[in-house]
Amino acid sequence: DQQVKQNSPSLSVQEGRISILNCDYTNSMFDYFLWYKKYPAEGPTFLISISSIKDKNEDGRFTVFLNKSAKHLSLHIVPSQPGDSAVYFCAASAGGGADGLTFGKGTHLIIQP
Amino acid sequence: GAGVSQSPSNKVTEKGKDVELRCDPISGHTALYWYRQRLGQGLEFLIYFQGNSAPDKSGLPSDRFSAERTGGSVSTLTIQRTQQEDSAVYLCASSWDRVRQFFGPGTRLTVL
Repeated sequence: DQQVKQNSPSLSVQEGRISILNCDYTNSMFDYFLWYKKYPAEGPTFLISISSIKDKNEDGRFTVFLNKSAKHLSLHIVPSQPGDSAVYFCAASAGGGADGLTFGKGTHLIIQP
Repeated sequence: GAGVSQSPSNKVTEKGKDVELRCDPISGHTALYWYRQRLGQGLEFLIYFQGNSAPDKSGLPSDRFSAERTGGSVSTLTIQRTQQEDSAVYLCASSWDRVRQFFGPGTRLTVL
């Protein structure tokens, strides 16, 4: 039973346009959400996070939106750059981290020149 | 400053052998996590250490898996009598706030 779902295995976006990566979750106990970026042969790198008490968090080109009623979050990258090509993982935490993070299966973002 | 380091980066072993994977967390991070990522899958949580406290082992996939953390710093994950289904990338992460986790590069384990 997947508690965090990323339904798009891959996404192709033109350089300079907006990339939108989506994530859905089922566990209403999740209170913190994170996005990680992963290059081949490297560990995931933390990108941006959001607490469940907020609906938006922005950091430079990256914005995360949270819709609690829909149990949905999204990551917007604008403008998209070639270096953004990577696998993006959505992750969620409940109860302060003792159970680790629950990850989605990832979305492979490809930025086309 | 140094990030999370893991060794070895790659390990190929024969079925039935024991393996030991090592993680050096970021200095000052009290929380340490182990995850496993099988091919085409997301990360699967295995075990969590908070300081020197005894971990909750209920996330470990079988009793062939064990982990320890010495002195609240370095951790080792041991897999006994390895099986082919243990083949995966094993990732370690550390955290100061138990939420934002910083990952090492992983150990790719291949069981022949």
